[in-house]
Amino acid sequence: TQLLEQSPQFLSIQEGENLTVYCNSSSVFSSLQWYRQEPGEGPVLLVTVVTGGEVKKLKRLTFQFGDARKDSSLHITAAQPGDTGLYLCAPQLADNYGQNFVFGPGTRLSVLP
Amino acid sequence: NAGVTQTPKFRVLKTGQSMTLLCAQDMNHEYMYWYRQDPGMGLRLIHYSVGEGTTAKGEVPDGYNVSRLKKQNFLLGLESAAPSQTSVYFCASTLAGDLEQFFGPGTRLTVL
Repeated sequence: TQLLEQSPQFLSIQEGENLTVYCNSSSVFSSLQWYRQEPGEGPVLLVTVVTGGEVKKLKRLTFQFGDARKDSSLHITAAQPGDTGLYLCAPQLADNYGQNFVFGPGTRLSVLP
Repeated sequence: NAGVTQTPKFRVLKTGQSMTLLCAQDMNHEYMYWYRQDPGMGLRLIHYSVGEGTTAKGEVPDGYNVSRLKKQNFLLGLESAAPSQTSVYFCASTLAGDLEQFFGPGTRLTVL
């Protein structure tokens, strides 16, 4: 089983600040997804990255897949209280049967007004 | 469309009791999954199904059984609940070959 790490584990910032969270592993992935989970709800997909070095933007969120496809980052510009939640990365291995998803432990973000 | 629904939302069991969690989806998805979520450990896959009548073990299958008799339903059973099974359980579904998982709202289970 690959070791999947997310950092930081917790992050509390003021509204308007920028932040970056990371997802790292020693394994190479065929693709990687980022989900956001709000309290009392299930995770919701934000983005899927597939190509090494790929950068995707979703409004104030910028996602990057590492060149070697072993890591990814999520950068939020001018964070807002609505960004509060648990951010989970979920990579897929090329040889996974049945799309056997693995999730990282998550980064819990709190944006204070 | 309701998406993915889970029943019940909350449940308290005593050690040794049994129960079944129901997951239903109305999106005609082929694949369905059961996860448990514990603090600091993210989501861990219990069992999954790639089609009606088929199931497979995930990362943490011990103490759980599943059934997929109908395409739209995926049942998770606990035959003899243990305190270690206290957790929040999430069901998810995807189209075959697609990467986006759609999650239900979760079931919070406490085993005393």
